[in-house]
Amino acid sequence: EAGVAQSPRYKIIEKRQSVAFWCNPISGHATLYWYQQILGQGPKLLIQFQNNGVVDDSQLPKDRFSAERLKGVDSTLKIQPAKLEDSAVYLCASSLEQGPGELFFGEGSRLTVL
Amino acid sequence: AQSVTQPDIHITVSEGASLELRCNYSYGATPYLFWYVQSPGQGLQLLLKYFSGDTLVQGIKGFEAEFKRSQSSFNLRKPSVHWSDAAEYFCAVKDVDSNYQLIWGAGTKLIIKP
Repeated sequence: EAGVAQSPRYKIIEKRQSVAFWCNPISGHATLYWYQQILGQGPKLLIQFQNNGVVDDSQLPKDRFSAERLKGVDSTLKIQPAKLEDSAVYLCASSLEQGPGELFFGEGSRLTVL
Repeated sequence: AQSVTQPDIHITVSEGASLELRCNYSYGATPYLFWYVQSPGQGLQLLLKYFSGDTLVQGIKGFEAEFKRSQSSFNLRKPSVHWSDAAEYFCAVKDVDSNYQLIWGAGTKLIIKP
């Protein structure tokens, strides 16, 4: 079974530029999550989708971050314009459904903002 | 507020020695408990989980964890560590009161001495 796929693995941009990350969850997983992980910290949930609807985006900085999950499968997370403090690893995860079950993570996309 | 505490930021153990990583949580309802491992530059991999039943759970890579409700703890153990166990370990909890959002500890970095 294929895991959660993310791209790109690494991205370096200058502040005020834009960047987009892509995620393809495990087939059949209804719930998709985007996390931000700053070096030395645990993951922070940015947004959670159930199929193509948003369940929780309370910690998403909506002035610069946006995410979509068209057709309820793959998802894109965009940052525009980027700030220095956005340097982090962006992790995508999926689960069968919202509930007590485990999350499966991709390898992450490491963003460096100069 | 719901929280997960991993009191040790770093732990150093010799190869072949036993390991215990601590995790404490604060929840009212029955929690669903997880341990994830993150190797450098990688995503998060599930080591083990506790939902119900036997309070001692076995995971991958020779790890086990014990749920102690009276102590609100879910400590991770391994009888003999290998150099390849060097990584960061995250404890995470979810329950119905948090709408099944994963609440993460800050992580414990495991360093293995040769």
